[in-house]
Amino acid sequence: NAGVMQNPRHLVRRRGQEARLRCSPMKGHSHVYWYRQLPEEGLKFMVYLQKENIIDESGMPKERFSAEFPKEGPSILRIQQVVRGDSAAYFCASSPTGGFGEQYFGPGTRLTVT
Amino acid sequence: QQQVKQSPQSLIVQKGGIPIINCAYENTAFDYFPWYQQFPGKGPALLIAIRPDVSEKKEGRFTISFNKSAKQFSLHIMDSQPGDSATYFCAATRGAQKLVFGQGTRLTINP
Repeated sequence: NAGVMQNPRHLVRRRGQEARLRCSPMKGHSHVYWYRQLPEEGLKFMVYLQKENIIDESGMPKERFSAEFPKEGPSILRIQQVVRGDSAAYFCASSPTGGFGEQYFGPGTRLTVT
Repeated sequence: QQQVKQSPQSLIVQKGGIPIINCAYENTAFDYFPWYQQFPGKGPALLIAIRPDVSEKKEGRFTISFNKSAKQFSLHIMDSQPGDSATYFCAATRGAQKLVFGQGTRLTINP
């Protein structure tokens, strides 16, 4: 059973460009979470999605950030008009349907904004 | 209410010693408390987890102690090895909701 997959692993964007991060959950997992980790800091929740639904977006900045988990295909975290402060590691986690809270993380996408 | 406080921020232990990392939470609705291990440049890996109806859980060299009345839990690593050097995060959640993480502890095991 493959783990959580994220791509790209590294992404460099100039200020003002768009960043698109992809996450494929583990097989059998219907819950997807996105977290952000700033350099030398902990992990901060951004958004929780199930197929075609955003369940909790309380950690998502109100502007420029959006997320989706379509019926088919990976979950996408989109950052429009990136700024230097968006430089961070973005991690996706998934958990199984009917699970009791365990979340399994992918390797992350390291975004660098120049 | 949603915070999880973790200490110490960094810890250095000799090989074979027993590092202990502590966490405290506020929200009594939390019902799942995992620990994650993260190596540089990697994603967090689920190490061990506990639910509040249990006071202790062991998996290999890793043990979680849980004190529900004090709203505290801790990670002990027995017979620590240099390969255990990593950053450790405690977390808490309720059901399928978001994980609330502690600030992390950078652990170094000296040979």
